[in-house]
Amino acid sequence: DIQMTQSPSSLSASVGDRVTISCRASQSISSFLNWYQQKPGKAPKLLIYAASSLQSGVPSRFSGSGSGTDFTLTISSLQPEDFATYYCQQSYSTPLLTFGGGTRVEIK
Amino acid sequence: QVHLVQSGVEVKKPGASVKVSCKASGYTFNNYGISWVRQAPGQGLEWMGWISLYNGNTNYAQNLQGRVTMTTDTSTSTAYMELRSLTSDDTATYYCARVFYDSSGYFYFDYWGQGTLVTVSS
Repeated sequence: DIQMTQSPSSLSASVGDRVTISCRASQSISSFLNWYQQKPGKAPKLLIYAASSLQSGVPSRFSGSGSGTDFTLTISSLQPEDFATYYCQQSYSTPLLTFGGGTRVEIK
Repeated sequence: QVHLVQSGVEVKKPGASVKVSCKASGYTFNNYGISWVRQAPGQGLEWMGWISLYNGNTNYAQNLQGRVTMTTDTSTSTAYMELRSLTSDDTATYYCARVFYDSSGYFYFDYWGQGTLVTVSS
């Protein structure tokens, strides 16, 4: 099974900060990597698919990069509504998928 | 507008089964797959499996093989997830999600249901 490791597991940041979240795969997954945002008590929401493609309706301050085993989600200027937990998901071994453990973004 | 509406809260005893429904609207049901993801209280997301509406094929997470069954009723655009032999470890919120997949192999969950809390307790 492909294991996905996110870092950090949590971070504190201020509004306006640039935030980066990392996701590492246990083997190469090319660009088969998705990112989701989840707010407390809500369903996850797709942000990025295919490592760097922005889902329709998602603000452009979100971006994704990487290929192979190392990936990054970047929020260019953190907004109040961005405080949430972020998950990466590999879809290389489709249809057997795995999520990362999540990164919680908290207010500093 | 795409909507996935799930059935309500369930409370079950250990050893029982639960069947959660997910009614889709706003798109052609047969053109996408449905996946199920669960989240134990305070924990991360766990992929459970998916069902292809193209050919009815299913794939399940290895740790749930033999206990989970995913089905669909195309006449009502509804997907179902049944989990048997429940234990307290199955206490979680269960989500359905629409699966987008294309010829390039990209596969992701673009719409999600609101979640169904299943509590397993004696």
